[in-house]
Amino acid sequence: AQSVAQPEDQVNVAEGNPLTVKCTYSVSGNPYLFWYVQYPNRGLQFLLKYITGDNLVKGSYGFEAEFNKSQTSFHLKKPSALVSDSALYFCAVRDARGGSYIPTFGRGTSLIVHP
Amino acid sequence: DGGITQSPKYLFRKEGQNVTLSCEQNLNHDAMYWYRQDPGQGLRLIYYSQIVNDFQKGDIAEGYSVSREKKESFPLTVTSAQKNPTAFYLCASSIASDRGYGYTFGSGTRLTVV
Repeated sequence: AQSVAQPEDQVNVAEGNPLTVKCTYSVSGNPYLFWYVQYPNRGLQFLLKYITGDNLVKGSYGFEAEFNKSQTSFHLKKPSALVSDSALYFCAVRDARGGSYIPTFGRGTSLIVHP
Repeated sequence: DGGITQSPKYLFRKEGQNVTLSCEQNLNHDAMYWYRQDPGQGLRLIYYSQIVNDFQKGDIAEGYSVSREKKESFPLTVTSAQKNPTAFYLCASSIASDRGYGYTFGSGTRLTVV
């Protein structure tokens, strides 16, 4: 069965510092991996995805993610954090389930960027 | 602009009452999904539908029901059998056959039992 793990419930970083939000996955076959962001009382917004190709994927709002097959990881990164980046971040994998492609989400990581 | 509309934004339910959450999309997506979000538990799949007039149970379908009579609409009914319905409910849509296609989410409905 497919799964993703976000080992940190919360990540704290100072504004201007680099940030990393961690995600590891477990799937059979090639993974299709996604990152989403959620602001309070809102739906999730797509940030970026890895399907194939370059291991470093660039996405919205200056975020990027590094796919590492040997470590089965897909960590989200940003070189310089902003206070406005404070939100809940979800990693997801989309795999086959009963003939359909259904995503499985991690538990989410709360990112807090301090001024 | 294309997107997903969930209504109402806030909903209050009395004990023993059924309530229906609306989800409408104009993205021409064939697949639609309902998730429940509780603090610290991430998103849990309730029901999903890949095509009109067909839907499947997700991981926590007990106490919920859905219908898919139109491509654009996927309403969720929270029945009195759902003993702990207070949560944030999210609807999403996507292209069913494209594994690499992402999801578009609505803004959510917060349901509270009073």
